[in-house]
Amino acid sequence: QSVLTQPPSVSGAPGQRVTISCTGSKSNLGSNYAVHWYQLFPGQAPKLLIYINTNRPSGVPDRFSGSKSGTSASLAITGLQAEDEADYYCQSYDGSLSAWVFGGGTKLTVL
Amino acid sequence: QVQLEQSGAEARKPGASVKVSCKASGYTFTNYGISWVRQAPGQGLEWIGTIRPNNGDTSYGQILQGRVHMTSDTPTSTAYMELRGLRFDDTALYFCARDTGSANGDYWGQGTLVTVSS
Repeated sequence: QSVLTQPPSVSGAPGQRVTISCTGSKSNLGSNYAVHWYQLFPGQAPKLLIYINTNRPSGVPDRFSGSKSGTSASLAITGLQAEDEADYYCQSYDGSLSAWVFGGGTKLTVL
Repeated sequence: QVQLEQSGAEARKPGASVKVSCKASGYTFTNYGISWVRQAPGQGLEWIGTIRPNNGDTSYGQILQGRVHMTSDTPTSTAYMELRGLRFDDTALYFCARDTGSANGDYWGQGTLVTVSS
């Protein structure tokens, strides 16, 4: 059971917009700890997609955006492309556990 | 450019130990932490712990506490993660990541597969 909760899967057609939710609690997202998002392809290293809630590292397309409010956060992907098909994880810090915590991951399928 | 180069795949029997290395380049090693994360087959990401090379301070996740030991060698800009008392469910891809200080990893190693089997 992951500390952060994500939907197991989402899907969308090319060109569409999808969102992936991430729900935490008082001890992590609700304590103002930032949320970060990673993109994973099988057998590869995670790629930082969004850091500190809304920021994109250089090289990440602006089709990817993040938001956070209270104990929830979300990742939005607009103009879906086939290459976006991957697993997406949210991550934060939990003050009670003194640990990085992850969501269970969301598999994005581009129809 | 920032790079984290990890050691190669390892195979161990239950009860043995494994030590994975992560050699950093392209930045000042002591200015950032190194965090370790693993992904078991078909599972999600799990934080193992973090080491601060500037002072050697470590923090470990509860799930592996007592079996994991992290060290760093500043002259070679290399971090190490040793896992003892290996179990079958320790089979996973182990990653190191540069910890930005905001509790996230901006650059990651390529991963080291550790397989525990009898």
